[in-house]
Amino acid sequence: GAVVSQHPSWVICKSGTSVKIECRSLDFQATTMFWYRQFPKQSLMLMATSNEGSKATYEQGVEKDKFLINHASLTLSTLTVTSAHPEDSSFYICSARPTDRDTGELFFGEGSRLTVL
Amino acid sequence: GENVEQHPSTLSVQEGDSAVIKCTYSDSASNYFPWYKQELGKRPQLIIDIRSNVGEKKDQRIAVTLNKTAKHFSLHITETQPEDSAVYFCAASKQSSWGKLQFGAGTQVVVTP
Repeated sequence: GAVVSQHPSWVICKSGTSVKIECRSLDFQATTMFWYRQFPKQSLMLMATSNEGSKATYEQGVEKDKFLINHASLTLSTLTVTSAHPEDSSFYICSARPTDRDTGELFFGEGSRLTVL
Repeated sequence: GENVEQHPSTLSVQEGDSAVIKCTYSDSASNYFPWYKQELGKRPQLIIDIRSNVGEKKDQRIAVTLNKTAKHFSLHITETQPEDSAVYFCAASKQSSWGKLQFGAGTQVVVTP
């Protein structure tokens, strides 16, 4: 159990367009999901905490108007990169924590590789 | 906030030898320390974790030790195999913000046959 699915796994878009990435918990409910960004050969940097039914909490330096997060249900969070530019190209990974487990364990999606031309 | 430092950044070991990766953390309130293995282009996979009420945990060839006083924890891989080659990340979080992991910089482990 505890599977997180992320879609799309890769996307190429033109500069100035917006891209939406979905993160779904398939067999558990997640009040909280997390979005990370990873540059090549670097660590995972937490971008924001996605809270079901309320606003996301963004980490310092992350533009909330640039990276729109919506957590409309207990199994789905979306990240929209608005007006994407080449510097937004990165590997975006979501993770989720089962609501019914107080263990701290996180389950990660497969990641979405965004390339902005 | 929490700061996690990880060493070494790269580690090359001969097959069959042991590998050790060390991490330190800054926030004494952190009480959950997972280790993730990530292969190129793939998602991080949890390989072992430890909580602050435990000093050591072992799972077959993998073990983790925690020194709360010194605020450091280590990953030990024994009898390394080529399939152990990957990037390993340590992380830390605290119960007040479960799931908000602060990751170390990562260690590229290469196991040579």
